[in-house]
Amino acid sequence: QVQLQQWGAGLLKPSETLSLTCAVHGESFSGYSWSWIRQSPGGGLEWIGDMDLSEGTKYNPSFKSRATISVDTSKTQFSLKLSSVTAADTAVYYCARTDTTMDPYFFDHWGQGTLVTVSS
Amino acid sequence: SSELSQDPTVSVALGQTVRITCQGDSFRTYYASWYQQRPGQAPVLVNLGKNRRPSGIPDRFSGSRSGDTASLTITGAQAEDEAAYHCGSRDTSGHYLVFGGGTKLTVL
Repeated sequence: QVQLQQWGAGLLKPSETLSLTCAVHGESFSGYSWSWIRQSPGGGLEWIGDMDLSEGTKYNPSFKSRATISVDTSKTQFSLKLSSVTAADTAVYYCARTDTTMDPYFFDHWGQGTLVTVSS
Repeated sequence: SSELSQDPTVSVALGQTVRITCQGDSFRTYYASWYQQRPGQAPVLVNLGKNRRPSGIPDRFSGSRSGDTASLTITGAQAEDEAAYHCGSRDTSGHYLVFGGGTKLTVL
């Protein structure tokens, strides 16, 4: 049974860097992409980007200059860093397994979510 | 702003059928995936748009696509179906993933 467990700092000041990590249990990285997604308070979902061991990383153009997704294959963990945060980055952040083998692409396993609040 | 558009709220009487729609040019090429999200919980995949369902999802959840619109139909809505529903797809370039703004379903 695949499980994603995520953690990271929940309170940041403007201009700081958001840092989150997601550990994958019960599955290897191979064969899937691994995404970060966020949800603003009362809002919809927003895909930030993903990592695939063979394809590399892709980012939503809205985040490309600030987001970095990295992977530690030895620990089966992947991470998100988002630089220069503002209040607009206040959201619940999720990690998710992404199946891109055929259309439609989909997210079938999600982390529990981490609320990140940006406030001075 | 999202490339996919959903009605913010939809309601249905208990036991009746409801269709939740998602509009966007992406659907002229790609299918949708659909997620159910209860308050305070992570989204759960309920349909893969070609009317495929993950294991454990009731068959009252069905998906379809026509033109620029993807739909999730719940046949015989139950009280536990009250939740937010999000559609997802690739963007028109095919390179990135996008979501609709979500639809809050109320079961009356």
